[in-house]
Amino acid sequence: AQKVTQAQTEISVVEKEDVTLDCVYETRDTTYYLFWYKQPPSGELVFLIRRNSFDEQNEISGRYSWNFQKSTSSFNFTITASQVVDSAVYFCALSGLSNTNAGKSTFGDGTTLTVKP
Amino acid sequence: AAGVIQSPRHLIKEKRETATLKCYPIPRHDTVYWYQQGPGQDPQFLISFYEKMQSDKGSIPDRFSAQQFSDYHSELNMSSLELGDSALYFCASSFLTGAGELFFGEGSRLTVL
Repeated sequence: AQKVTQAQTEISVVEKEDVTLDCVYETRDTTYYLFWYKQPPSGELVFLIRRNSFDEQNEISGRYSWNFQKSTSSFNFTITASQVVDSAVYFCALSGLSNTNAGKSTFGDGTTLTVKP
Repeated sequence: AAGVIQSPRHLIKEKRETATLKCYPIPRHDTVYWYQQGPGQDPQFLISFYEKMQSDKGSIPDRFSAQQFSDYHSELNMSSLELGDSALYFCASSFLTGAGELFFGEGSRLTVL
């Protein structure tokens, strides 16, 4: 069984602060994908990043960065110099690579980030 | 670039009525997924199709059925609607099951009164 835990239900920061969203996962698959999605108040799910399990290289994209630690089953997401437009619900998700699991992503409960001006 | 198209975007139904949601995947994507997201909940996997055949099934009620047609579009049919079916329904598509990322549509919001 797969499980994704986002322990932080809500986070509130002031604009320009850095913020890290935690994600811990459980899976029996040896190969898998991890994702982060952003869901703004308008409701759509916006893909942010995909990381496969055999690539532990951290990634930076503008103000966003991701820290994948396979040893601790964590895939944390950091927003640097947060902006009001970053306010959204952020979901971490896990997907296996076997035919029975592929695409059947398991989502965490989400972290609601509020960035105040 | 073309994205996943879902229709209708909003739908209001009465209890015990039937609703049909449509999804048009990104061209050349071979897999379609349906997810249900209740208010304040995370998306829950319902069902998926690979090359027009059901490939996996999640927590989909027996009152719901889905299929993928020859043009790869998919429809989610929901009968005997209940208040608890009120949710945002997402369709997603991918290419090469398991190897590609999921591309989500903007969702169809169903309200059951």
